[in-house]
Amino acid sequence: NAGVTQTPKFQVLKTGQSMTLQCAQDMNHEYMSWYRQDPGMGLRLIHYSVGAGITDQGEVPNGYNVSRSTTEDFPLRLLSAAPSQTSVYFCASRRGAYYNEQFFGPGTRLTVL
Amino acid sequence: AQTVTQSQPEMSVQEAETVTLSCTYDTSESDYYLFWYKQPPSRQMILVIRQEAYKQQNATENRFSVNFQKAAKSFSLKISDSQLGDAAMYFCAYKEEGQAGTALIFGKGTTLSVSS
Repeated sequence: NAGVTQTPKFQVLKTGQSMTLQCAQDMNHEYMSWYRQDPGMGLRLIHYSVGAGITDQGEVPNGYNVSRSTTEDFPLRLLSAAPSQTSVYFCASRRGAYYNEQFFGPGTRLTVL
Repeated sequence: AQTVTQSQPEMSVQEAETVTLSCTYDTSESDYYLFWYKQPPSRQMILVIRQEAYKQQNATENRFSVNFQKAAKSFSLKISDSQLGDAAMYFCAYKEEGQAGTALIFGKGTTLSVSS
């Protein structure tokens, strides 16, 4: 049982490049979400999903896309990277939308030059 | 909208001593959950303790305990017998009860340093 996995752990992009941050969980969790963590800002919600085929926006969705074609995977796409998207990104999951214990992946540190 | 405030950006404690981290929150809901997460230098988010708002009894987990004051909307974390391994950033988080898409709302964090 690997829990929540994220790849890559580190990434450097140039402004305007696109990329996908991968997130997978093997716990059959319905609810998955993406956060970004910036110094002095805590964790802020980007997008979330309550099940396959269902996604919605969080607090800071601009510049990011998500999809949820399977229960296991919840990739986050940066369409045209900007320096303001330099951050640490966390994927998280929980058993169902009504459950409370949330499991986090190890994070991806992204730098946009 | 619900908010979570951690007013202490940094705290320090000596080994074996006790430290209390503060958290206040704002909500009009009566049913909700509160959490403390620990983030060591490894970056991994680790759940330390959780409190259900309907429970009057304060949650405890070994050396970690909370002081939950529902009327005051306060949720502090007490770490007893502090250890070097407790050095980390600590986040307070809030979640509404019973909403399908509800995410955790986090405070900005408190960095705890532990000295020997």
